[in-house]
Amino acid sequence: AQRVTQPEKLLSVFKGAPVELKCNYSYSGSPELFWYVQYSRQRLQLLLRHISRESIKGFTADLNKGETSFHLKKPFAQEEDSAMYYCALVNNAGNMLTFGGGTRLMVKP
Amino acid sequence: DGGITQSPKYLFRKEGQNVTLSCEQNLNHDAMYWYRQDPGQGLRLIYYSQIVNDFQKGDIAEGYSVSREKKESFPLTVTSAQKNPTAFYLCASSVTSGRSNEQFFGPGTRLTVL
Repeated sequence: AQRVTQPEKLLSVFKGAPVELKCNYSYSGSPELFWYVQYSRQRLQLLLRHISRESIKGFTADLNKGETSFHLKKPFAQEEDSAMYYCALVNNAGNMLTFGGGTRLMVKP
Repeated sequence: DGGITQSPKYLFRKEGQNVTLSCEQNLNHDAMYWYRQDPGQGLRLIYYSQIVNDFQKGDIAEGYSVSREKKESFPLTVTSAQKNPTAFYLCASSVTSGRSNEQFFGPGTRLTVL
């Protein structure tokens, strides 16, 4: 069975501080992971995927197979980063996306 | 902000009643999904459909039913057998069900059982 764990329900940082949202996964196959974000009063949307190795809005995430982690990082948090963040893993068949419980990021001025 | 629409935005139901949530997409996507979102539990997959006239159960299908008679529509019925139906329901779609395909989400329907 596949499982995604986000240990922090709430993460509060000051503007300009580094931020790391933790994500750990459990999956017997080759993992493919995503970060989705939901800003206030907006739809859930894709932020980034590990296979693209891209930086979106200053966020990056590296897949660490040894630690089975896919932490989301940003060196300098902005107030507009405040949102709900979900880590997700897709199965080998590509038809089931498993989400973590989510972390609410609050960036204080 | 089209793409995927869900209606109604809020829905109230009495215990013992079935209720159907609408999900429509104009993205020409083959795959569609229904999730339930509860505080602290993230999103859990109820049902998914990879193609018209075909659908599979997700992790929490009990008490729910779906149909996929048209490519653009994937309605979800919450039956009286669902023991705790009060939740936020999200519909999503993707081009196909391939591993790298991004899922696009609707605005959601909040169901409250009175």
